[in-house]
Amino acid sequence: DVKVTQSSRYLVKRTGEKVFLECVQDMDHENMFWYRQDPGLGLRLIYFSYDVKMKEKGDIPEGYSVSREKKERFSLILESASTNQTSMYLCASSPGQGRQPQHFGDGTRLSIL
Amino acid sequence: AQTVTQSQPEMSVQEAETVTLSCTYDTSESDYYLFWYKQPPSRQMILVIRQEAYKQQNATENRFSVNFQKAAKSFSLKISDSQLGDAAMYFCAYKGNQGGKLIFGQGTELSVKP
Repeated sequence: DVKVTQSSRYLVKRTGEKVFLECVQDMDHENMFWYRQDPGLGLRLIYFSYDVKMKEKGDIPEGYSVSREKKERFSLILESASTNQTSMYLCASSPGQGRQPQHFGDGTRLSIL
Repeated sequence: AQTVTQSQPEMSVQEAETVTLSCTYDTSESDYYLFWYKQPPSRQMILVIRQEAYKQQNATENRFSVNFQKAAKSFSLKISDSQLGDAAMYFCAYKGNQGGKLIFGQGTELSVKP
C-alpha cells in the first residue's frame, strides 16, 4: 500500500517564523503535490513537482516555496509565516500521468499565531 | 482553465437510504479523468471511485456508482444503502490527460442519520 507521511499532524508557529512542512512517500512516485484546504474552498494547489529538483507553481504559490532534493521527499516552506497561512496542508503523490489517482497524507493542521 | 463545482455544501441521508452528490466541471479537453475522494474526520483523503472520460460506461465500486454525463459535464456520485461510516466530506476532482494535477471542487459534507 502507498504510504504518504507528513511530519506533523499539528503545528503551532509564530508570525514571521520560517516553517518547514515535510512529506515523504514510499512508492517511488514521480509526482508530488502540496495543497492547502480551507472550508468552502476545497483543496487548492500550492506547488507541485514532476521530478527531483523540479518544481512548478500551482494556483496559490505566494508566500510559499518548495524543495525536492530526493525523489521521495517534498518539502513545503513558509518563508515568513503569516496568520493568513493558518490552514490544513495536505501532501499527495502519484505515479505519473493518466488514470492513476493521487495518494494523500494525513494532513498537517498549521496555526500561525 | 478547468473548474470543478460542487453546489451542495451539505447533504444528509438516512441510514440504508440512497443519496446523490452533484458535481459539474468545465473543460475544453476531450480526454480527462474524474475522481471522487472521501475525507472522513480522521482527515486522510481516500479514493472512492474514478471515471475515464473516454469510457461511456459509468464506474461502479460496490455501493458507490457515478452518473457520468460527458455532454453535460456532470459527474454525480450515488451512494446506495448508506452507512454511518459514509459520513465524511466528499470531493469531486478533475485531471487532464497531460500532467498529474488535480482540480478539486469545494466539497460536500455528508451526514448519515441512524
